[in-house]
Formats: sequence, C-alpha cells, structure tokens
Amino acid sequence: GAVVSQHPSWVICKSGTSVKIECRSLDFQATTMFWYRQFPKQSLMLMATSNEGSKATYEQGVEKDKFLINHASLTLSTLTVTSAHPEDSSFYICSARAPKGDRGRNEQFFGPGTRLTVL
Amino acid sequence: GESVGLHLPTLSVQEGDNSIINCAYSNSASDYFIWYKQESGKGPQFIIDIRSNMDKRQGQRVTVLLNKTVKHLSLQIAATQPGDSAVYFCAEKVGANNLFFGTGTRLTVIP
Repeated sequence: GAVVSQHPSWVICKSGTSVKIECRSLDFQATTMFWYRQFPKQSLMLMATSNEGSKATYEQGVEKDKFLINHASLTLSTLTVTSAHPEDSSFYICSARAPKGDRGRNEQFFGPGTRLTVL
Repeated sequence: GESVGLHLPTLSVQEGDNSIINCAYSNSASDYFIWYKQESGKGPQFIIDIRSNMDKRQGQRVTVLLNKTVKHLSLQIAATQPGDSAVYFCAEKVGANNLFFGTGTRLTVIP
C-alpha cells in the first residue's frame, strides 16, 4: 500500500525557535497533502490543505504566518512552526491523497506523526 | 460545520469477544465514511470504509454498518484480540471535501 513518512518523529525545541517537519509520499505522487494537529486524548484537527505548487488553504483559526506550509513537489510537503511556544506542543500528522485507485476513489494515507515538545 | 461524535469514549472487552464501536454524525450530506485505528504515538491506519449508498460492508474480522436514517455508524470487530487495543476514529466526508474526524473511542482488550 501507499506509504507516507514524516521526519522527524519527535523534536524538542526551546520556546521562540522554529521547527520544520517534513512529510513525504514514498511510493506515489500526491497532488494534495494535509496537515493535522492532535492534542493528547483528542481527535485529529485539520490545520491546512496543501496543493503542489500553490498556496496552502488554512482552516479557520489556524495562523498561516505561524504554520508555514510548503508543497514544492508531488512527494514532499513541509510544515514549519515558527516562533514555537509551549502551547504549540502537539502531535502533528500529515496525510497525502493518492490518485484514484481501482475503486475509483482518491485515498488518503497518513504519516506516523511528529511529536513536538516546546520547552 | 460538520460534527462527528462517538457514543462511548472508552470500551473494554474480553479477548475473543466481539466489539462494537459507535459513531454519530450530523451532516446528512456526508456520503463517505471511514474507520481508522490509531495506536499510541502513531498515525491513523485505515480499517474500512463505506459509501452512503450502502448500509453494510465487511472486511477481515471487521464490519461497518451505516444507518442514514439516524445518522449512525458502527464498527464491529469480531473475536477481538489484544492487538486491536487502540483508539478508533470515524471520519466523514462530503464529496471531494476534506475528512472530518470524530472524537475517538479507546478500545482496551482484556487478555
């Protein structure tokens, strides 16, 4: 099946620094990638939708200047948390949408997540 | 906006028993539903999906039931195993729009 990877799997940083998280589709080209955030014991909340070669679409309440998304190729999207603060500590999960398969559906595959801890 | 919720936040079952995880959704326009399994510290893993033109779909040890009348979705796991312990999310979608996730149910399998 389709594989999505994330790097790093976990990161600890000081308050005020920026952190970049990479999301890669390893065996398929993804025209659309999604970034989710998940706080402990909560569900996944969509942050933004990223289309290759164009600006990301952010969900309401998500600061685009704080969460910079770059989708420069069909296999790579990056999320940069700028000037991170402790309240940004969370589990960040990316997802990539694969081309329509045999069932005629665009399928969405998830990465393993990145645990961000801001001290 | 859409709202997808679950009746039970936690569920404990004996190994070998069947598990039933429920989900309520509020958007009657949703036409595609997916169940995901998420183990601790990992991303969601696809389990099974169903379109709104169906009311039942079976996979290996899992069955999804859809009741559009009451906007209810359930996941049945047969002969639950310790490896099934995880948080289960239902997610809904309208057409080509984005997926919206429910709040999740933690399933604990007792050996």
